[in-house]
This record gives sequence, structure tokens and C-alpha cells, in this order.
Amino acid sequence: EVQLVESGGGLVKPGGSLRLSCAASGFTFSKAWMSWVRQAPGKGLEWVGRIKSKTDGGTIDYAAPVEGRFTISRDDSKNTLYLQMNSLNTEDTAVYYCATSYCTSTSCYLFDPWGQGTLVTVSS
Amino acid sequence: EIVMTQSPATLSVSPGERATLSCRASQSVNSNLAWYQQKPGQAPRLLIYGASTRATGSPARFSGSGSGTEFTLTISSLQSEDFAVYYCQQYNNWPPRFGQGTKLEIK
Repeated sequence: EVQLVESGGGLVKPGGSLRLSCAASGFTFSKAWMSWVRQAPGKGLEWVGRIKSKTDGGTIDYAAPVEGRFTISRDDSKNTLYLQMNSLNTEDTAVYYCATSYCTSTSCYLFDPWGQGTLVTVSS
Repeated sequence: EIVMTQSPATLSVSPGERATLSCRASQSVNSNLAWYQQKPGQAPRLLIYGASTRATGSPARFSGSGSGTEFTLTISSLQSEDFAVYYCQQYNNWPPRFGQGTKLEIK
């Protein structure tokens, strides 16, 4: 069974940093393209960024609101995805989900399955 | 960037009835449109992709249609477990964008 388990969320002050982890099991993590998607309280879904597998180049892309502040990485030896978040502001408050990229013939920007999410609260 | 607009924001339907949810893209996304279901306190789940292809495990009562800029998700006979929030997502252009969601509630 595919499992994605996020951790590392919590309360952080504006300007602070936090690192989220996503532990994967039940599939060949090293071959998977992985994404982070966030959801502000009571709001919709927002794609944060994606990392390809190393065999596919390991390319990373980010949404404009987080570009330059957030860094996605992976440790295939630990089957773990990371999201390093720096210079956090109140607009970054959200539940952060990791998700496996689901590929069709036209795109790999579909997301399935998802982890249960971890809440990040940015507040003074 | 493409903007996805869902309507209505809230839809009240009785169990056993049909529900029709709409999603509009600000420019053509061809058939590169997905639907997700999110139940309270849970992560989203992929239901439909390619505008009309059911994802693995999606019940047959869920169907999607449309292309270009106008899309519809239809649930033929609502079950209690279908009351949730539904999001559309375009993946034709970068960045991938979601609609703001339609909450399907029990009437």
C-alpha cells in the first residue's frame, strides 16, 4: 500500500524557517516525481513545487510565490522528500501535502496519492 | 496564468439525486482537466483526469465531460460518502492551477 507521511509542521514566527519531511513507502520512491501542494485554512489548493526523479534529471520547479524561499529536495536512500521553507510569512500558513506525481500522456502535473498533510502556522 | 473558476460555490442536493458541478478555465486547457474530491479532515483524492477518465477506484457514478474551457463533473446518484468538496485542476499549462472548489452538501 502506498503511504506518504508528512511531518515537521508547527508554529513559526514571520521570517523564520521550517523543514518538512515526507516519508514514502509502498512504491519505488527513487523513480517517482514528487510534489508539494498546500492549502491555507478554509481555502483551496495551491501547487508549491515538484521534483523529478534523479534518473529523469532531478529537475525542480516552484510556484512563483515560493520561488527563492522554498527548496525541495529528496533522499532516495531514506525514501524521503523534503521542503525547506525560509523567510516565512503569514501567507504561508497552510496544511502542506506531499503527493506523488501522476503522469498521463500529456503531463505529470497530476497528483495522486497524497499524504495526510502537516500544518504550518506562521504567526508572531 | 490560467484561472480556474468553479460554480456554484456550494451545492445542496438530496441523497439519490444527481449533482452537476461546473469548472471554467480562463483559456483553453484542451482536455487536460482533473477533478479531486476532498472530505473533511482528509487529503484530496484524484477522481477524474483527461476531463472524462475515471481514476483507479473512482466509482462509475462519477463522470466528467467537456473540453477547451468548460467542464462538468456529474455524480449520477448521490451517496452519503459523496458529500465533500470538489476541486478542478488544469494541467495543460504551467503552473498547474486548481479551482476554488465546490462544496457539495446534503439538502
